[in-house]
Amino acid sequence: EPEVTQTPSHQVTQMGQEVILRCVPISNHLYFYWYRQILGQKVEFLVSFYNNEISEKSEIFDDQFSVERPDGSNFTLKIRSTKLEDSAMYFCASTRDRGDQPQHFGDGTRLSIL
Amino acid sequence: SQQGEEDPQALSIQEGENATMNCSYKTSINNLQWYRQNSGRGLVHLILIRSNEREKHSGRLRVTLDTSKKSSSLLITASRAADTASYFCAIISNFGNEKLTFGTGTRLTIIP
Repeated sequence: EPEVTQTPSHQVTQMGQEVILRCVPISNHLYFYWYRQILGQKVEFLVSFYNNEISEKSEIFDDQFSVERPDGSNFTLKIRSTKLEDSAMYFCASTRDRGDQPQHFGDGTRLSIL
Repeated sequence: SQQGEEDPQALSIQEGENATMNCSYKTSINNLQWYRQNSGRGLVHLILIRSNEREKHSGRLRVTLDTSKKSSSLLITASRAADTASYFCAIISNFGNEKLTFGTGTRLTIIP
């Protein structure tokens, strides 16, 4: 069964550095998402992306964050000037039809900011 | 917040018993979804129930939805050790967006 893949599985970065988290969504899916889960807390929505543009973003997704679909397969989340509080699991998800179909999640990238 | 709590927060049962988890939410929904998360892993989709549905089954899983009470329950029958995981409900609201809003989850432990 096709799955969403995320790389790297674990990223350790110094505070203030930039990180790029990568995702390969399921190939026939059109809607893409990033979520994060701070240790011990709820999974929180960050951003949704469709037709090469952001369709919705949360208040967490400020100017520090950006997303891109640089080619036909990858979907990336860039975090500029990382802060300690950015430490979390970041999950990518995709779906074929928004709202009415399940979102399929990757295994996540654990981001640790030192 | 559009999402309430799940209860219980943690549940331990003997293998073979049934496990019931509940979820409450606060807004009008398009659908409600249940996900499982094994420790340190991603979220695995279990079942989606639409707002006009009251009950849905998938293998050993049974989900109910009561939109008048804004609540849902997930029943796992004949539990197995492999069912040990955290279970989350998540809603898609009716307000034109597509994001999943998650609850706090129930940590289920099946004792062999």
